[in-house]
Amino acid sequence: GAVVSQHPSRVICKSGTSVKIECRSLDFQATTMFWYRQFPKQSLMLMATSNEGSKATYEQGVEKDKFLINHASLTLSTLTVTSAHPEDSSFYICSALEVHEQFFGPGTRLTVL
Amino acid sequence: AQTVTQSQPEMSVQEAETVTLSCTYDTSESDYYLFWYKQPPSRQMILVIRQEAYKQQNATENRFSVNFQKAAKSFSLKISDSQLGDAAMYFCAYRMNRDDKIIFGKGTRLHILP
Repeated sequence: GAVVSQHPSRVICKSGTSVKIECRSLDFQATTMFWYRQFPKQSLMLMATSNEGSKATYEQGVEKDKFLINHASLTLSTLTVTSAHPEDSSFYICSALEVHEQFFGPGTRLTVL
Repeated sequence: AQTVTQSQPEMSVQEAETVTLSCTYDTSESDYYLFWYKQPPSRQMILVIRQEAYKQQNATENRFSVNFQKAAKSFSLKISDSQLGDAAMYFCAYRMNRDDKIIFGKGTRLHILP
C-alpha cells in the first residue's frame, strides 16, 4: 500500500520558536494532503487541507497565520507552527490522498517548553 | 452537519472471544463511505475496513466485519477471535462521496485480556 512519512517523529522546542513538520508521500503523488491534530486520548481533528500549488484550506477555528502550510510539490507538504507556545504541544498527523483514500503518516509529537 | 458518535469510550474482551464496537452517524447525504481505523500504541492510523453506503452487503476483512444498518445510521465493527495485537484505539469515520474530508468519532479503546 501507499506509504506516507513524517519528519521529525518528535520535536521539543522552546516557546516562541517555529517548528516545521514535513509530510511526504513516498510511492505516489498526492495533490491533496491533510493535516490533523490529536490531543491525548482524543480523536483526530482536521486542521487544514493542503493542495499542491495553491493555498491551503483551513478548518474553522484554526489560525492560518499560526499554522503555515506549504504544498510545494506532489510529494511534500509542510506544516510550520509559528511562534510555538506550550498549548501547541500535541500530536500532529498528516495524510495523503490517493484516489479518494487517505493514507496516514506516523505522526509527529510536538512538545513546546 | 455530519457527526460520528462512538458511545463506548473503552471496552475489554477476553482473548479469542468476539467483541462488537458501536458507531452511529448522522448525515443527510445518500452517497458516502464509512470506515473503521485502528490506532495502536505506535499512533499509526491503520485502515481496518471500509463500507460504501450504496452497497447493502456488509464488508468483511478476515476477522473483522461490520454490521451496516443504513436506515438506522449504524455501523458497528465485530472482531472475531480477538488477539492481543488487536488492542488499540478504534475510530469510526465517515466521508461524503463528493468530498475527501474524513470525520472521525471520538474513539473506543479496546483492551484484550489474556
